[in-house]
Amino acid sequence: KQEVTQIPAALSVPEGENLVLNCSFTDSAIYNLQWFRQDPGKGLTSLLLIQSSQREQTSGRLNASLDKSSGRSTLYIAASQPGDSATYLCAVNLSGSQGNLIFGKGTKLSVKP
Amino acid sequence: DTGVSQDPRHKITKRGQNVTFRCDPISEHNRLYWYRQTLGQGPEFLTYFQNEAQLEKSRLLSDRFSAERPKGSFSTLEIQRTEQGDSAMYLCASSPTGTWVAGELFFGEGSRLTVL
Repeated sequence: KQEVTQIPAALSVPEGENLVLNCSFTDSAIYNLQWFRQDPGKGLTSLLLIQSSQREQTSGRLNASLDKSSGRSTLYIAASQPGDSATYLCAVNLSGSQGNLIFGKGTKLSVKP
Repeated sequence: DTGVSQDPRHKITKRGQNVTFRCDPISEHNRLYWYRQTLGQGPEFLTYFQNEAQLEKSRLLSDRFSAERPKGSFSTLEIQRTEQGDSAMYLCASSPTGTWVAGELFFGEGSRLTVL
């Protein structure tokens, strides 16, 4: 059974710091991996999608990497801002099952001004 | 706004009542998904449609839950005889098929259900 774990569960940093959020999964047979942002009481906003054949994706200050063999992904946020405060979720899409994303519990990020 | 739209955003009901949620996906997306999220947890997959066909259902979707997408556009999720354990955020997502950005899901704002 695929399990997705995110570490740390919560993180508080001062504004301007670079930070790394971690995601690990137990079964390397994934179709893709997606990082989302969720603000309190809101839906999910897609940040980055990495296909299983890719190693990383970048969007602005965000960079996500994927190492399928070790079952790990990281989300790197450069020069963090208070507006980055949110819960960040990673989700894996299992090969052959394109509708079923398996989510981690998320990392709650707080960026202090 | 051309994003995924969900209605109502918040529903409070008494145990035993039926509730229905509606989702309007992004117009050119033919895949539609329902997820459930409880407090402090990541979303859990419930079911998925390609056009009007319901292709996959989670074991979480008990016989009290039914989802439809009759014309391949909007979808409804109905919960009959609600229980307190049904209290959660119900999230809808859509995605395009095709070769570009395959598998990327776009979520709505969610419908929060509170069962008293």
